[in-house]
Parts: sequence; C-alpha cells; structure tokens
Amino acid sequence: DTAVSQTPKYLVTQMGNDKSIKCEQNLGHDTMYWYKQDSKKFLKIMFSYNNKELIINETVPNRFSPKSPDKAHLNLHINSLELGDSAVYFCASSPLYGTGELFFGEGSRLTVL
Amino acid sequence: SQELEQSPQSLIVQEGKNLTINCTSSKTLYGLYWYKQKYGEGLIFLMMLQKGGEEKSHEKITAKLDEKKQQSSLHITASQPSHAGIYLCGADGQAGTALIFGKGTTLSVSS
Repeated sequence: DTAVSQTPKYLVTQMGNDKSIKCEQNLGHDTMYWYKQDSKKFLKIMFSYNNKELIINETVPNRFSPKSPDKAHLNLHINSLELGDSAVYFCASSPLYGTGELFFGEGSRLTVL
Repeated sequence: SQELEQSPQSLIVQEGKNLTINCTSSKTLYGLYWYKQKYGEGLIFLMMLQKGGEEKSHEKITAKLDEKKQQSSLHITASQPSHAGIYLCGADGQAGTALIFGKGTTLSVSS
C-alpha cells in the first residue's frame, strides 16, 4: 500500500482552465502539506493542514485552494491556470506539525500550455 | 526568514569516489533533514540531525551537524550509480511552521 498517493501523476492543460490534484495518506497522520517544486528543483511550501487548521503561505496566489474532506485527504484546486503554474506538486504528511520526517507522494507534474 | 544554502549545485563523480554535499543555514538549526529524490519520484527521507556535533550513518552515507548547528554535511563513501539523484536538506521552520528546503544538489555518478 502506498503511504501517500497523489493523482493524477501527469496533467497537461490549457491556460485559464481549472484543475484539481488529489492526495490521500493512509498513515493516520494529522498533518498534511502541499509543496511546489519549480523547474530548478526548488521545493517551496504552499499549504499546511494541521488538525483541521489550514495554514496558508502568503506568497501563494488565491487561485490555489486546498480542500480537506477528512484528515486522510488534502486536495489542491487551482483556478484560472497560468503558464507559471507549471511545476511538480508534492503532497506530504507527517505525524507532527512543523518538525520531523515528512512522507512524500510521488508528485504530480502539471504542464500549462 | 530562514534560508538554506546548498553546495555544490550539481556534482558529477566517478563511481567509487567519495563526495560531500554541504547545507548552510542563515539561522540556528533545530532539526536538519536530508532527503533524496530520484527523477520522477517523491522525496525519500535519509536522516535527521538535531544536536550540535551529531553524526549519523546509513550504509555508505554519513551526515553531520556542526557544533554551532548552522551547517550540515552529507558524505557519500565509494559512490555507486544508485546514489545518483537530487539531495535536499530541509530544516524545521521557525515558530512551528512547515519544513523549508534548500535548492538541492544534483548528483550524477558515472560508471
């Protein structure tokens, strides 16, 4: 069983479209994250979700919205996609917030044309 | 805000050679993590260091945290093609924020 799974793995779409990436973890963790990895491999935190509390990174445009139906799922919805949104998006979870080992999904590569 | 600087940015070594990757923090490190990423895959946790002077090893990979807790090094002995990938250092954010990462070091091992 995959601990943290993301779907889809690849996503190609046109500018202006709306898309979602789903993430599920079966580790029983209370904390989940979305990270964005740009073309230079720099990994930046976008959102943290800890015990139903959403912590938003200020630099993330409000076109990005995380949604958590339950503590095992944290989905990422993106409105009005732009070229600069092309990146690999990683979901992760951890047993403790802000510290400790993160368990990453395999990433979702988003390409905006 | 805290920043992590990794060096070198990329590295090509011959199989069997040793190598070192460095990670320097702009602020005191309270938890330092090393991860490895293979192309098209997620990050795999390697090691965590918390105490000044701490050293941990796993197979042929050794990580150290300096006494001042502002720099960590990752050393690979007798590199193999399986060591190739991107190595990222991560640190506990301040005030309980999420982990932040350095920009990564891409390692290629030629046989």
